[in-house]
Amino acid sequence: IAGITQAPTSQILAAGRRMTLRCTQDMRHNAMYWYRQDLGLGLRLIHYSNTAGTTGKGEVPDGYSVSRANTDDFPLTLASAVPSQTSVYFCASSAGGGDIQYFGAGTRLSVL
Amino acid sequence: GENVEQHPSTLSVQEGDSAVIKCTYSDSASNYFPWYKQELGKRPQLIIDIRSNVGEKKDQRIAVTLNKTAKHFSLHITETQPEDSAVYFCAGDGGTSYGKLTFGQGTILTVHP
Repeated sequence: IAGITQAPTSQILAAGRRMTLRCTQDMRHNAMYWYRQDLGLGLRLIHYSNTAGTTGKGEVPDGYSVSRANTDDFPLTLASAVPSQTSVYFCASSAGGGDIQYFGAGTRLSVL
Repeated sequence: GENVEQHPSTLSVQEGDSAVIKCTYSDSASNYFPWYKQELGKRPQLIIDIRSNVGEKKDQRIAVTLNKTAKHFSLHITETQPEDSAVYFCAGDGGTSYGKLTFGQGTILTVHP
């Protein structure tokens, strides 16, 4: 059972470049989430999706976009990366809103 | 929106002692309060959660208590072991049905053998 798979594991990116972080789950969960984790700030919600075809903004959505074309995939795109987007990004999924969220292993992104 | 404050930011205990981490939240509509444990370089993993219709929940050495009137909830770990050393995060859902969790800033727990 894979659960939630994130790719890449880590990435170094030049400022201004476009980057897509991938997230795939095989648990048939309806809801998916993207968080960023910075030292001393805990986890902050970027975007979420309650079901395929719908997305919503979290606490820190600026500079990021998402899509949910199907149940399993929830990619996060940085259209033009900036150094302040250097962070560890976690994808999570749950059966529905208010259910336990299970996290992927994370993507460590450095924007130089 | 929801605001979650977590204290202390660091906690050091001797093996066998108890550890308590406290979180306060701002939105009285919040219904769901999970606690996650994160080991260095690993993903957050749920250790226990509580819903607003329950005042206390236990799972072996771990318990969570919720005081809705005061808007705070606490994690209690008894008989701590070195493998309990990790960062612990609390969260609240702000009463939304979308699972939009707001996390506390985290507590670094160190258990000394």
